[in-house]
Amino acid sequence: SQELEQSPQSLIVQEGKNLTINCTSSKTLYGLYWYKQKYGEGLIFLMMLQKGGEEKSHEKITAKLDEKKQQSSLHITASQPSHAGIYLCGADPYGQNFVFGPGTRLSVLP
Amino acid sequence: DTAVSQTPKYLVTQMGNDKSIKCEQNLGHDTMYWYKQDSKKFLKIMFSYNNKELIINETVPNRFSPKSPDKAHLNLHINSLELGDSAVYFCASSLGPSNQPQHFGDGTRLSIL
Repeated sequence: SQELEQSPQSLIVQEGKNLTINCTSSKTLYGLYWYKQKYGEGLIFLMMLQKGGEEKSHEKITAKLDEKKQQSSLHITASQPSHAGIYLCGADPYGQNFVFGPGTRLSVLP
Repeated sequence: DTAVSQTPKYLVTQMGNDKSIKCEQNLGHDTMYWYKQDSKKFLKIMFSYNNKELIINETVPNRFSPKSPDKAHLNLHINSLELGDSAVYFCASSLGPSNQPQHFGDGTRLSIL
């Protein structure tokens, strides 16, 4: 079955700094999703990537799926305290159940 | 308007009791899900329904029984609650069963005494 790993597990950055979170899959990704979870709340859908090399942006968050479709990165430019939360990648494996990565906990210090 | 709503938000009960969590979505989606998020924040799928039909049934104790009276509702009933059932349970919905982003409710925090 497909498994997702995320790195780093947790991240503390100063406001204004850039950061990158990685998601690595044990198998080819047919659909990769990024979600954000604020503490004590539900998940908010950020972006979905399907094609190798695809890159999408939303405000200051950019996500990319590599050409081989086994890794995705999420990049935040000029981080703000509002970016704090847990970022989870999720995969839509072909013929298997949807899986999530373990999450990356992001703290942004003002 | 809340897209995916779950009730209750908090549920505190004793071991051995039976409880239900309700979920409703007003997005017109065909597919609904139940997830369990444990204390380490690991999110794992439990069930999925598409057009009221069960399509995913992960290895979950049969004390957990989902029920979908219509496409907009997916309820979760839990019998004989155990300490290990303490977790946050999330309901989600999507347009279809694959290649579609899922929209999540705010979760139900279940605590077993």
